[in-house]
Order: sequence, then structure tokens, then C-alpha cells
Amino acid sequence: RKEVEQDPGPFNVPEGATVAFNCTYSNSASQSFFWYRQDCRKEPKLLMSVYSSGNEDGRFTAQLNRASQYISLLMRDSKLSDSATYLCVVIGAGNRPLVFGKGTRLSVIA
Amino acid sequence: GAGVSQTPSNKVTEKGKYVELRCDPISGHTALYWYRQSLGQGPEFLIYFQGTGAADDSGLPNDRFFAVRPEGSVSTLKIQRTERGDSAVYLCASSPHGQLERTTNEKLFFGSGTQLSVL
Repeated sequence: RKEVEQDPGPFNVPEGATVAFNCTYSNSASQSFFWYRQDCRKEPKLLMSVYSSGNEDGRFTAQLNRASQYISLLMRDSKLSDSATYLCVVIGAGNRPLVFGKGTRLSVIA
Repeated sequence: GAGVSQTPSNKVTEKGKYVELRCDPISGHTALYWYRQSLGQGPEFLIYFQGTGAADDSGLPNDRFFAVRPEGSVSTLKIQRTERGDSAVYLCASSPHGQLERTTNEKLFFGSGTQLSVL
């Protein structure tokens, strides 16, 4: 089983749609979780961290379920510029390096 | 420059050749990471430096891959006897201290990558 699993997509959604990205992780010792965004042929960039109690940043809401080892990202009112790959990222105990999921590709259509 | 710089941006080589990929991290960042990203995949961890030493090289796929960071700044990823399967984007990243837990708010900064193509 891969350490971080995501639905690769692609998700094709109209502008204004709400999109949910899901991710599961296998290492129960993982302590920190993030969502990164990667545009085509560009480097990954941090979108937001995921807090245990859930957190919101503008149009984005991130949630963590430790019991199920499940992380989600909800994006509201999607825009054309949101088209990108969304990467789920975890870090293990003891400052291990970031482990990336395969990413979910999103296309927002006019 | 202000960001992580990687050179070359593109490298085309023939099977069996030796290549070196260079990463110049953000000045003052002690932690440096190499990742490899194949088409349709997420970045795959290769090696992590804390200062001059490799703190974790568990992601290097085999002994054809080697990386150095002799002065704790610039790093070079070296690939011997390249194979077609080595073709990928090689990403370098740096962070101030290597403390990437969510609670520290420390960020990882990626370079634009080197696209390696082995023919």
C-alpha cells in the first residue's frame, strides 16, 4: 500500500462548483499534513496546512480524521485559475521528509 | 537570487552516460531535499541534507545515484550509467532548518526542476 493515496482524477468541473479532494495515508505516526498545488510544468507550492480540528482559508476548508487516516480539502466557488494538480502531503514522526501523494488533477471549465 | 535555483533546466543525455544536476538553495537554508517526479506522479523523495551531511538517503533508488553538499550550500545530484527509466523532473527544495512539522510554520521552497531525458 502506498504511503499516501489519492484519486488521480481528472476532475472536470464548471466554474463556481464545489470540489472535494480526498486522501488517505498509511503511517499512523504521521503528525503533520498539508495540501500543495502544482500547476502544469511548475514546482509544487504549499496551499495550506491541515489542522486536527479542521481549518479554513478563504475558499478552502481542510479536515483531518486521524481515526480513519483520512484528509480532505474542500474548495468552493471554483475558478478557471484553480485548474492544477492538488497534492496531499504528510510528514512522519521524527522530522522525516515530506511524502507526496500522486495528486488529483483538476480542470475548471468555463 | 531569492529562490531555489536549479541548473540546467533541461538535460538530454544518452543511455549509459553520467549526468550532474545542480541545486542552489535559498541562502541560509540548512535543509536541502532532492525529489524526483515522473509524469503523472507526485514528487518522490530521494535524499535530504542537513548542512553538509546526508540526514536521510533512503529514497535513492540504487547505487547509481549519489548526491553531495560539500559546503552546506550548493548540492549536486549525480547519476551514473543513466537508464531510460531515470527520465523525470528532478526537483530540489530547501527550508530554513528542516523542521517541517505543521506546528513550526516552516515552509519548503522548491526550485523549478531539471527535466532529465535519457534517450
